[in-house]
Amino acid sequence: GAGVSQSPSNKVTEKGKDVELRCDPISGHTALYWYRQSLGQGLEFLIYFQGNSAPDKSGLPSDRFSAERTGGSVSTLTIQRTQQEDSAVYLCASSLTGGWDTQYFGPGTRLTVL
Amino acid sequence: GDSVTQMEGPVTLSEEAFLTINCTYTATGYPSLFWYVQYPGEGLQLLLKATKADDKGSNKGFEATYRKETTSFHLEKGSVQVSDSAVYFCALSLQGAQKLVFGQGTRLTINP
Repeated sequence: GAGVSQSPSNKVTEKGKDVELRCDPISGHTALYWYRQSLGQGLEFLIYFQGNSAPDKSGLPSDRFSAERTGGSVSTLTIQRTQQEDSAVYLCASSLTGGWDTQYFGPGTRLTVL
Repeated sequence: GDSVTQMEGPVTLSEEAFLTINCTYTATGYPSLFWYVQYPGEGLQLLLKATKADDKGSNKGFEATYRKETTSFHLEKGSVQVSDSAVYFCALSLQGAQKLVFGQGTRLTINP
């Protein structure tokens, strides 16, 4: 595809449920990032994948959050036992090789935890 | 830690007015600096960037100069248009750190 795609675009869930958010990066991009955009915290880095290297998980807010990237392409962000404070827009970005390469962002998934 | 501070919003201007959105940063190393824009209903887009001191990034009539002495990267445009209404984010990235560190965003509204 032409850009980064994310699904679903909107997700409403009940507190305590698990959710999975998907990101398809730009074809050929080896670096993939997850960020969270919330009213209280602004835009926060969550996790970074680069090729076959171990991911940088330094931004994950708790052990309820995890992410994987299969085959160096598609990534899934999983939030277990969702809490109301997890409500936010989750953004995925990709770049060609990481480092200071331009990051291209997807449209985001808006997560609402009731 | 590394951080970015933007001027408080929202900012409301009339069409053809001069725009400045202030951005200052704190970084332990030597960052690259970025301005991203989020138009209504759209995703974040890179507007411009600068990778070293005194570099000027420019795009769509917007400019920002990397000022190491004042740790600033203020966004300017000489004559804004209604279509410039959006949320603007200043950000930095440190070599080896990979992630972007964003400011809190400034909502800009341009009235005709």
